[in-house]
Amino acid sequence: QVQLVESGGGVVQPGRSLRLSCAASGFTFSDFVMHWVRQAPGKGLAWVAVISYDGSHKYYVDSVKGRFTISRDNSKNTLYLQMNSLTTEDTAVYYCVKGPPEQRLVRWGYYGMDVWGQGTTVTVSS
Amino acid sequence: EIVLTQSPGTLSLSPGERATLSCRASQSVPSSYLAWYQQKPGQTPRLLIYGASSRATGIPDRFSGSGSGTDFTLTISRLEPEDFAVYYCQQYGASPPLFTFGPGTKIDIK
Repeated sequence: QVQLVESGGGVVQPGRSLRLSCAASGFTFSDFVMHWVRQAPGKGLAWVAVISYDGSHKYYVDSVKGRFTISRDNSKNTLYLQMNSLTTEDTAVYYCVKGPPEQRLVRWGYYGMDVWGQGTTVTVSS
Repeated sequence: EIVLTQSPGTLSLSPGERATLSCRASQSVPSSYLAWYQQKPGQTPRLLIYGASSRATGIPDRFSGSGSGTDFTLTISRLEPEDFAVYYCQQYGASPPLFTFGPGTKIDIK
Protein backbone atom coordinates (compact mmCIF):
# COMPACT_ATOMS: atom_id res chain seq x y z
CA GLN A 1 0.00 0.00 0.00
CA VAL A 2 0.99 3.62 -0.33
CA GLN A 3 3.29 4.58 2.52
CA LEU A 4 5.37 7.54 3.58
CA VAL A 5 7.86 7.14 6.41
CA GLU A 6 9.65 10.18 7.80
CA SER A 7 12.88 10.15 9.76
CA GLY A 8 15.56 12.52 10.94
CA GLY A 9 13.72 14.47 13.60
CA GLY A 10 15.19 15.19 17.00
CA VAL A 11 16.21 17.84 19.48
CA VAL A 12 18.51 20.54 18.13
CA GLN A 13 19.81 23.84 19.45
CA PRO A 14 18.73 27.15 17.89
CA GLY A 15 20.87 28.05 14.91
CA ARG A 16 21.76 24.47 14.09
CA SER A 17 20.68 22.30 11.16
CA LEU A 18 18.72 19.12 10.62
CA ARG A 19 17.81 17.05 7.57
CA LEU A 20 14.54 15.19 7.37
CA SER A 21 13.97 12.26 5.05
CA CYS A 22 10.81 10.62 3.80
CA ALA A 23 10.86 7.16 2.25
CA ALA A 24 8.00 6.56 -0.17
CA SER A 25 6.62 3.23 -1.28
CA GLY A 26 3.58 1.74 -2.97
CA PHE A 27 3.31 4.30 -5.76
CA THR A 28 5.40 5.72 -8.60
CA PHE A 29 7.13 8.39 -6.54
CA SER A 30 8.66 10.15 -9.55
CA ASP A 31 5.20 11.00 -10.92
CA PHE A 32 3.97 12.96 -7.94
CA VAL A 33 4.24 16.42 -6.43
CA MET A 34 5.38 16.16 -2.81
CA HIS A 35 5.00 18.44 0.21
CA TRP A 36 6.24 19.03 3.71
CA VAL A 37 3.57 20.22 6.16
CA ARG A 38 4.21 20.95 9.84
CA GLN A 39 2.18 21.21 13.01
CA ALA A 40 3.48 23.03 16.06
CA PRO A 41 2.47 21.61 19.44
CA GLY A 42 -1.23 22.22 20.03
CA LYS A 43 -1.55 24.22 16.81
CA GLY A 44 -3.00 23.75 13.34
CA LEU A 45 -1.51 22.57 10.10
CA ALA A 46 0.97 24.76 8.25
CA TRP A 47 2.26 24.09 4.76
CA VAL A 48 6.07 24.38 4.49
CA ALA A 49 7.24 23.49 0.99
CA VAL A 50 6.37 21.75 -2.27
CA ILE A 51 8.48 20.17 -4.99
CA SER A 52 7.57 19.18 -8.52
CA TYR A 53 7.66 15.57 -9.70
CA ASP A 54 11.16 15.98 -11.15
CA GLY A 55 12.59 18.36 -8.55
CA SER A 56 12.89 21.25 -10.99
CA HIS A 57 10.41 23.51 -9.20
CA LYS A 58 10.38 24.24 -5.48
CA TYR A 59 8.30 26.68 -3.45
CA TYR A 60 8.26 27.63 0.23
CA VAL A 61 6.23 29.46 2.80
CA ASP A 62 7.81 32.85 3.51
CA SER A 63 8.86 31.96 7.05
CA VAL A 64 11.31 29.28 5.86
CA LYS A 65 12.58 30.81 2.62
CA GLY A 66 16.36 30.96 2.56
CA ARG A 67 16.64 28.54 5.50
CA PHE A 68 14.90 25.34 4.33
CA THR A 69 15.51 23.39 1.13
CA ILE A 70 13.21 20.70 -0.21
CA SER A 71 14.68 18.11 -2.54
CA ARG A 72 14.04 14.61 -3.81
CA ASP A 73 15.93 11.61 -5.14
CA ASN A 74 13.59 9.76 -7.43
CA SER A 75 16.08 6.91 -7.82
CA LYS A 76 15.74 6.30 -4.08
CA ASN A 77 12.04 7.20 -3.75
CA THR A 78 13.00 9.68 -1.06
CA LEU A 79 11.99 13.24 -0.20
CA TYR A 80 14.18 15.50 1.91
CA LEU A 81 13.94 18.70 3.89
CA GLN A 82 17.19 20.40 4.80
CA MET A 83 16.56 22.82 7.65
CA ASN A 84 19.20 25.39 8.53
CA SER A 85 19.30 28.23 11.04
CA LEU A 86 16.58 26.62 13.08
CA THR A 87 14.62 28.67 15.59
CA THR A 88 12.24 27.73 18.38
CA GLU A 89 9.40 28.68 15.99
CA ASP A 90 10.34 25.67 13.86
CA THR A 91 9.47 23.23 16.65
CA ALA A 92 6.77 20.98 15.19
CA VAL A 93 5.81 17.61 13.86
CA TYR A 94 6.84 17.53 10.20
CA TYR A 95 4.70 15.52 7.80
CA CYS A 96 5.71 14.27 4.39
CA VAL A 97 2.63 14.49 2.17
CA LYS A 98 1.82 13.19 -1.29
CA GLY A 99 0.33 15.58 -3.82
CA PRO A 100 -1.17 14.98 -7.25
CA PRO A 101 0.48 13.40 -10.30
CA GLU A 102 0.52 16.74 -12.08
CA GLN A 103 3.32 18.28 -14.08
CA ARG A 104 1.53 21.56 -14.72
CA LEU A 105 1.88 23.98 -11.83
CA VAL A 106 -1.65 25.26 -12.31
CA ARG A 107 -2.96 21.79 -11.49
CA TRP A 108 -0.92 21.27 -8.31
CA GLY A 109 -3.93 22.22 -6.23
CA TYR A 110 -6.14 19.56 -7.73
CA TYR A 111 -7.06 16.43 -5.73
CA GLY A 112 -5.76 17.68 -2.38
CA MET A 113 -3.00 16.08 -0.30
CA ASP A 114 -4.10 12.49 -0.20
CA VAL A 115 -1.46 10.53 1.73
CA TRP A 116 0.31 11.68 4.90
CA GLY A 117 3.23 10.14 6.72
CA GLN A 118 3.17 9.60 10.47
CA GLY A 119 5.39 12.61 11.00
CA THR A 120 8.73 13.22 12.63
CA THR A 121 9.15 15.55 15.59
CA VAL A 122 11.60 18.43 15.50
CA THR A 123 12.29 20.24 18.75
CA VAL A 124 14.45 23.35 18.69
CA SER A 125 15.58 24.18 22.19
CA SER A 126 18.67 25.36 24.00
CA GLU B 1 -1.88 35.90 -0.01
CA ILE B 2 -5.27 34.34 0.61
CA VAL B 3 -6.27 33.90 4.26
CA LEU B 4 -8.77 31.22 5.27
CA THR B 5 -11.09 31.73 8.23
CA GLN B 6 -13.02 28.83 9.70
CA SER B 7 -16.09 29.08 11.88
CA PRO B 8 -17.06 28.24 14.42
CA GLY B 9 -13.85 27.53 16.27
CA THR B 10 -15.57 24.79 18.25
CA LEU B 11 -18.83 23.01 17.59
CA SER B 12 -20.46 21.04 20.41
CA LEU B 13 -22.85 18.46 19.05
CA SER B 14 -24.30 15.06 19.87
CA PRO B 15 -23.98 11.87 17.81
CA GLY B 16 -26.65 11.78 15.15
CA GLU B 17 -26.78 15.55 14.76
CA ARG B 18 -25.86 17.47 11.62
CA ALA B 19 -22.63 19.47 11.55
CA THR B 20 -22.10 22.47 9.31
CA LEU B 21 -18.58 23.90 9.13
CA SER B 22 -17.69 27.11 7.33
CA CYS B 23 -14.51 28.11 5.53
CA ARG B 24 -14.27 31.66 4.25
CA ALA B 25 -11.47 32.94 2.01
CA SER B 26 -10.19 36.52 1.90
CA GLN B 27 -10.27 36.35 -1.91
CA SER B 28 -12.08 34.16 -4.39
CA VAL B 29 -10.71 30.62 -4.60
CA PRO B 30 -11.33 28.35 -7.59
CA SER B 31 -13.41 25.43 -6.36
CA SER B 32 -10.86 23.05 -7.84
CA TYR B 33 -8.35 24.29 -5.29
CA LEU B 34 -10.34 23.82 -2.07
CA ALA B 35 -9.91 20.75 0.13
CA TRP B 36 -11.00 19.58 3.59
CA TYR B 37 -9.11 17.38 6.06
CA GLN B 38 -9.98 15.61 9.29
CA GLN B 39 -7.53 15.13 12.13
CA LYS B 40 -8.37 13.00 15.13
CA PRO B 41 -6.39 13.40 18.36
CA GLY B 42 -2.99 11.78 18.06
CA GLN B 43 -3.52 10.89 14.42
CA THR B 44 -2.34 12.23 11.10
CA PRO B 45 -4.64 14.33 8.94
CA ARG B 46 -6.87 12.59 6.42
CA LEU B 47 -8.11 14.03 3.14
CA LEU B 48 -11.92 14.17 3.12
CA ILE B 49 -12.91 16.43 0.23
CA TYR B 50 -11.07 17.86 -2.77
CA GLY B 51 -12.29 20.17 -5.50
CA ALA B 52 -14.69 21.64 -2.91
CA SER B 53 -17.21 18.79 -3.30
CA SER B 54 -15.54 15.53 -4.35
CA ARG B 55 -15.12 12.90 -1.66
CA ALA B 56 -11.72 11.29 -1.37
CA THR B 57 -11.36 7.54 -1.63
CA GLY B 58 -13.08 5.69 1.19
CA ILE B 59 -14.82 8.71 2.70
CA PRO B 60 -18.41 7.96 3.79
CA ASP B 61 -21.21 9.77 2.01
CA ARG B 62 -22.33 11.48 5.22
CA PHE B 63 -19.49 13.92 4.45
CA SER B 64 -20.24 16.48 1.77
CA GLY B 65 -18.61 19.68 0.58
CA SER B 66 -20.11 22.66 -1.18
CA GLY B 67 -19.51 26.29 -1.97
CA SER B 68 -17.72 28.56 -4.38
CA GLY B 69 -15.90 31.86 -4.54
CA THR B 70 -15.09 32.84 -0.97
CA ASP B 71 -17.54 30.66 0.97
CA PHE B 72 -17.22 26.92 1.38
CA THR B 73 -19.00 24.46 3.64
CA LEU B 74 -18.31 20.99 4.97
CA THR B 75 -21.43 19.17 6.11
CA ILE B 76 -21.59 15.96 8.11
CA SER B 77 -25.15 14.77 7.80
CA ARG B 78 -25.30 12.59 10.91
CA LEU B 79 -22.38 12.60 13.30
CA GLU B 80 -20.87 9.26 14.18
CA PRO B 81 -18.72 8.87 17.32
CA GLU B 82 -15.58 8.68 15.16
CA ASP B 83 -16.33 12.07 13.56
CA PHE B 84 -15.43 14.08 16.64
CA ALA B 85 -12.19 15.65 15.48
CA VAL B 86 -10.64 18.82 14.08
CA TYR B 87 -11.44 19.79 10.51
CA TYR B 88 -9.24 21.97 8.32
CA CYS B 89 -9.93 23.60 5.00
CA GLN B 90 -7.03 24.23 2.63
CA GLN B 91 -6.62 26.21 -0.56
CA TYR B 92 -4.04 26.53 -3.33
CA GLY B 93 -2.88 29.72 -4.96
CA ALA B 94 -1.04 29.03 -8.21
CA SER B 95 0.87 32.25 -8.70
CA PRO B 96 3.23 31.76 -6.99
CA PRO B 97 2.40 28.27 -5.73
CA LEU B 98 1.26 28.60 -2.14
CA PHE B 99 -0.85 26.29 -0.03
CA THR B 100 -2.78 27.63 2.96
CA PHE B 101 -4.68 25.89 5.73
CA GLY B 102 -7.45 27.38 7.78
CA PRO B 103 -7.14 27.42 11.58
CA GLY B 104 -9.52 24.50 12.00
CA THR B 105 -12.89 23.74 13.55
CA LYS B 106 -13.09 21.29 16.42
CA ILE B 107 -16.19 19.18 16.77
CA ASP B 108 -16.57 17.90 20.29
CA ILE B 109 -19.19 15.85 22.04
CA LYS B 110 -21.95 17.85 23.69
